Amino acid sequence: EDQVTQSPEALRLQEGESSSLNCSYTVSGLRGLFWYRQDPGKGPEFLFTLYSAGEEKEKERLKATLTKKESFLHITAPKPEDSATYLCAVQGNTGNQFYFGTGTSLTVIP
Amino acid sequence: DTEVTQTPKHLVMGMTNKKSLKCEQHMGHRAMYWYKQKAKKPPELMFVYSYEKLSINESVPSRFSPECPNSSLLNLHLHALQPEDSALYLCASSHPSGRGVTDTQYFGPGTRLTVL
Repeated sequence: EDQVTQSPEALRLQEGESSSLNCSYTVSGLRGLFWYRQDPGKGPEFLFTLYSAGEEKEKERLKATLTKKESFLHITAPKPEDSATYLCAVQGNTGNQFYFGTGTSLTVIP
Repeated sequence: DTEVTQTPKHLVMGMTNKKSLKCEQHMGHRAMYWYKQKAKKPPELMFVYSYEKLSINESVPSRFSPECPNSSLLNLHLHALQPEDSALYLCASSHPSGRGVTDTQYFGPGTRLTVL
């Protein structure tokens, strides 16, 4: 059964304190792994799509990496505006359906 | 442009009302989705339309009725809802699996539904 686990559940960082969020997955044939940012009461905002182990993508202070079993979202020198819930989702070879993790709630303290 | 729009932003309805949520995208995507999201939980898939045909119905109660009138529009008709149906309803779109460069789903801002 396809499954996604995110850790930690919540993370508090001082401004400028770099860290990583983890997304572990099991899926029958990975088609894609997706990272989203979600602010309270709003829709998820697309960040990255990763397709194969070894792939890396960057955007501003965020960098996403992928192995055969997990993905990391690295946040370098975070700012308070990076505070949000970060969701990971995977898609297997069976079709359109995404399997979401429960998210990591990030708070960056000034 | 990766925009998905949803109306209304907020909706309050009684248990005997009939209302509809609307979603629109102009990215040429032929797969569209409805999700339900409760506070502090991930989005939960309700329905998937692929090429305007319903392809996935995740055992959603019949008081929720989806409709895809054309490739850009997706509706969710609501009737006789219960208070536990109060949630954020999200629409998303993507290229259908295997048909596009990316299967990335792009989400709308959501409709906050409250059932009294």
